[in-house]
Amino acid sequence: DIQLTQSPSFLSASVGDRVTITCRASQGISNYLAWYQQKPGKAPKLLIYAASTLQSGVPSRFGGSGSGTEFTLTISGLQPEDFTTYYCQQLNRYPLTFGGGTKVEI
Amino acid sequence: EVQLVESGGGLVQPGGSLRLSCAASGFTFSDHYMDWVRQAPGKGLEWVGRIRNKANSYTTEYAASVKGRFTISRDDSKNSLYLQMNSLKIEDTAVYYCTRAAGTTWSTAMVDSWGQGTLVTVSS
Repeated sequence: DIQLTQSPSFLSASVGDRVTITCRASQGISNYLAWYQQKPGKAPKLLIYAASTLQSGVPSRFGGSGSGTEFTLTISGLQPEDFTTYYCQQLNRYPLTFGGGTKVEI
Repeated sequence: EVQLVESGGGLVQPGGSLRLSCAASGFTFSDHYMDWVRQAPGKGLEWVGRIRNKANSYTTEYAASVKGRFTISRDDSKNSLYLQMNSLKIEDTAVYYCTRAAGTTWSTAMVDSWGQGTLVTVSS
């Protein structure tokens, strides 16, 4: 199985900050990676797919990059509603797998 | 508007069975791959499995943790997805989400729609 390691697990930041979350795959997955945001008690929401393509309706302060085994999610100018948990998911090989999550806290 | 509504969750004893259902609306259900994703209390997301569309022979894929115990099926005539869970273990306790894959290629097979989830509790 392809393991995804997200770092950091917890990230402390302030409104307006630029933050970066990393997702490392145990083997190459081309650009078949998605990022999701999950707020407490809610279902996740798709932010980015194909490593860097912004899902329709997602604010442009969210950005993704990477290919192969290393990927990043960047939030430029944190807003109050962005303080929540983020997950990456690889779509290169079955079984599909998620990273362990990154909680962005104030 | 895409809607996915799960039902069938509840309390079940270890070793028991449960069948989850998901009613889909607002899109052409038969075109899409569909997944189940679960989340144990206070934990991260875990992909459970996928069923492809008719064009891809309704083939399925499963996580190792559920393979042989869980079965995903669908009824396109009823716009419904199912998860049959047998030999349930305490570690299967989770919120189970019905989800839609956006497309059928590797670059588009991410989940773009989620239900609200249904809680399955396995306990004696």
